[in-house]
Amino acid sequence: DGGITQSPKYLFRKEGQNVTLSCEQNLNHDAMYWYRQDPGQGLRLIYYSQIVNDFQKGDIAEGYSVSREKKESFPLTVTSAQKNPTAFYLCATQNRVRTGELFFGEGSRLTVL
Amino acid sequence: DAKTTQPTSMDCAEGRAANLPCNHSTISGNEYVYWYRQIHSQGPQYIIHGLKNNETNEMASLIITEDRKSSTLILPHATLRDTAVYYCIVRVVSNYQLIWGAGTKLIIKP
Repeated sequence: DGGITQSPKYLFRKEGQNVTLSCEQNLNHDAMYWYRQDPGQGLRLIYYSQIVNDFQKGDIAEGYSVSREKKESFPLTVTSAQKNPTAFYLCATQNRVRTGELFFGEGSRLTVL
Repeated sequence: DAKTTQPTSMDCAEGRAANLPCNHSTISGNEYVYWYRQIHSQGPQYIIHGLKNNETNEMASLIITEDRKSSTLILPHATLRDTAVYYCIVRVVSNYQLIWGAGTKLIIKP
C-alpha cells in the first residue's frame, strides 16, 4: 500500500535521553515535514525537507535534529536539549507536482517520564 | 501566508449538512484555501482546496466568496464519523511553512 509509516506509535523516554522517530514514505514525494502538536492546539512546524540531503528549520527547531539521506526517509531526533518534548509528532509529505496537499502519517506520541 | 479565523466548535445533527465557516480577510491573489480534518489522535486528512471557484469532490464542497475573504466547507450529509477538528489554511502552493490554527471541533450528534 502507498503511504506514510511512522514508528513507534507510542514512546516513553526518561529525561536526558535522545529518541529518534521514524518516518518512511513510498509515495515518491520530494517534500517531507515534521510537525509537533500539543493538546488542543494546531500543528507547529519543526523541520522540513524539499529534496534529499537538504532540510530547513521550521518555527520550533530548537532541541530537534533531522536527516534526509534517502528520499523515502526523514527521521526526527528529539534531543535532551528539548525542554518540553512530550507531544504528538506528525510526519507529512507533499505532492508538489499536483495540487500541493499534504499527506500525513498516523503520528507518534512521545511521553517523557 | 494569511491567517484564518474559525469558530472553536460546532454541532450538527446526523444526516444534515454541516457548514463550517472560515474567515481569511487578508488572503492574497495567489493563495489557495485548503481544508483538512483530524480525527482524534490521528494524522490530519486532506479534504479539499480551491483558489477562486467553488469546488466539489466526493467528501465535501468548498464555497469561496467572490471577494475571497471567507469560505465555507460543506459536508452534505454528516455522519458520526465526520466528528473531527477541521482546519482551514490559506497558502501559496510553493510555500512550505503553513500556519495551523486550532481549527473547528465539529461534533455530529445522533
